[in-house]
Amino acid sequence: GQQLNQSPQSMFIQEGEDVSMNCTSSSIFNTWLWYKQDPGEGPVLLIALYKAGELTSNGRLTAQFGITRKDSFLNISASIPSDVGIYFCAGPHIQGAQKLVFGQGTRLTINP
Amino acid sequence: GAVVSQHPSRVICKSGTSVKIECRSLDFQATTMFWYRQFPKKSLMLMATSNEGSKATYEQGVEKDKFLINHASLTLSTLTVTSAHPEDSSFYICSASAVSVNQPQHFGDGTRLSIL
Repeated sequence: GQQLNQSPQSMFIQEGEDVSMNCTSSSIFNTWLWYKQDPGEGPVLLIALYKAGELTSNGRLTAQFGITRKDSFLNISASIPSDVGIYFCAGPHIQGAQKLVFGQGTRLTINP
Repeated sequence: GAVVSQHPSRVICKSGTSVKIECRSLDFQATTMFWYRQFPKKSLMLMATSNEGSKATYEQGVEKDKFLINHASLTLSTLTVTSAHPEDSSFYICSASAVSVNQPQHFGDGTRLSIL
């Protein structure tokens, strides 16, 4: 089915370290979206990817659309305390109508 | 960038009360909005798709008579939790995307609903 599997489920790192997380699926996606959710708030769009092989940056964040269209990764360089939160990948639902499928999320914790 | 406003941010009320949550797209028109429910430490669960000028489309297992959705204009959708009970307590989030193709969804800040 159209499941998105995110790994790792949680990360505990030191401030200043680089972070890498990924999202995989058994089915092809034509769009990959990465969102970040802070506690008690709604998800905020970080990066949107629309083309296989595309590599896009947003400040210290970099995301790539896998060439097979079945995966995507998100990297964060030189992590800072405000990077703490849950990172979700998402892609268009097979039913269309602008619906999204979400991964389970990667919870990032940073030790100062 | 695209902004979605959700109100109220927090509601605490007694069991049996009906609660209305508003979702507004502030700087774009949205023919479609979405309502999600999120349990602690879980991902977002889509409840329904709100369609401007027509009935909402509910996901399997979501009671449409319990969760009433109205999308009266291109910038406003409302979710009413009718006769709320403690098990309806949750974090409810709306999202919207602009009419143009390939516009990603933008989310509101969510509503924390607590039913006593």
